[in-house]
Amino acid sequence: AQSVTQPDIHITVSEGASLELRCNYSYGATPYLFWYVQSPGQGLQLLLKYFSGDTLVQGIKGFEAEFKRSQSSFNLRKPSVHWSDAAEYFCAVGGGSNYQLIWGAGTKLIIKP
Amino acid sequence: NAGVTQTPKFQVLKTGQSMTLQCAQDMNHEYMSWYRQDPGMGLRLIHYSVGAGITDQGEVPNGYNVSRSTTEDFPLRLLSAAPSQTSVYFCASSPADPGNTIYFGEGSWLTVV
Repeated sequence: AQSVTQPDIHITVSEGASLELRCNYSYGATPYLFWYVQSPGQGLQLLLKYFSGDTLVQGIKGFEAEFKRSQSSFNLRKPSVHWSDAAEYFCAVGGGSNYQLIWGAGTKLIIKP
Repeated sequence: NAGVTQTPKFQVLKTGQSMTLQCAQDMNHEYMSWYRQDPGMGLRLIHYSVGAGITDQGEVPNGYNVSRSTTEDFPLRLLSAAPSQTSVYFCASSPADPGNTIYFGEGSWLTVV
């Protein structure tokens, strides 16, 4: 069955520390992979996406993600978090139309001052 | 740029009442969709549309109706509200090609008492 797992419901990180949010997927073929961010009280915004080619993808706000086919993972990273990064982060995978995306349950990022 | 506009932002309904959540986009996108977001469950697709006059069911369509008479508008109707429909609702749009960025509205917080 196709699925997306974000193992961490909450993650707490000190401001200035590095961040890695995990995303694992089960999909029959090489999927399109996405990370979206949802700030409090807002809709979701695309951070980055992977279709093919270079497995390290750069996104907005200093985020990057690496596609690892052997591990079925697409983890999101940032070298130094800022208080404004506090939000909920969603991983999504798909291979066809956008209405066929499979969404993870989300990881809530909490920043300690 | 307006993007995707949803109204109302907040609504309280009594069980059995009906209402319509409005959604409009000004990007001439073919795809539009409605999601509901519940804690720990990520986004679940309610209904979607691939163009004016064409709609289809998503993962959780029961209790909801949609129509798409124009490219711009995609209202979601709750026929007879139930407490289980208490949720945050997001309208989204995107171009037709797979993997394109999905643009989300800011959300509608609905409480059914």
